[in-house]
Amino acid sequence: EAQVTQNPRYLITVTGKKLTVTCSQNMNHEYMSWYRQDPGLGLRQIYYSMNVEVTDKGDVPEGYKVSRKEKRNFPLILESPSPNQTSLYFCASSSGLTGHGEGYTFGSGTRLTVV
Amino acid sequence: GESVGLHLPTLSVQEGDNSIINCAYSNSASDYFIWYKQESGKGPQFIIDIRSNMDKRQGQRVTVLLNKTVKHLSLQIAATQPGDSAVYFCAETRRRNMLTFGGGTRLMVKP
Repeated sequence: EAQVTQNPRYLITVTGKKLTVTCSQNMNHEYMSWYRQDPGLGLRQIYYSMNVEVTDKGDVPEGYKVSRKEKRNFPLILESPSPNQTSLYFCASSSGLTGHGEGYTFGSGTRLTVV
Repeated sequence: GESVGLHLPTLSVQEGDNSIINCAYSNSASDYFIWYKQESGKGPQFIIDIRSNMDKRQGQRVTVLLNKTVKHLSLQIAATQPGDSAVYFCAETRRRNMLTFGGGTRLMVKP
């Protein structure tokens, strides 16, 4: 089954403790992206990647890092999490044939709470 | 399931009626628009898209209308069903792979 898999689904952590949220897709998609979703703010793009070793900032990149060492994986790294990073996070991938949003497949989300 | 928004505009319709969900966008340079559906506890799911050189596109039970003059996008769902209950987001692209989402509308279908 074609899918985007995020782990963990739920995570509670303390301020300053480094964490990584993993994202993997099995569709051989070139484009991958991370979003955070907050009440009243919709989904905001954190980082995206157009291909292996190619990443770029989205609307809200501060406090996050990403890497794209291989095509299928696009982990989101919080080096020093803070409470304002408490949010619902989604990873998405796309074939990007036209560079637009059709065919974006989203993961099921990761609920992160930073205390 | 996960809450996707506590203060969303809500549209309540009777089962079988047509639904119209509206979205205003701000950037006249946006060249591509997408509607997503998000059910509780799940990620957004692609519904339908439209390019800026079009004003209407139809899918199965859904139609998207684009009015570039007033920067307005709408999603029409025909014969709304209980399974259509979800939060609906519009999204626009201003540049390659940079999707910008609207705040979302919660659709509630009454049996």
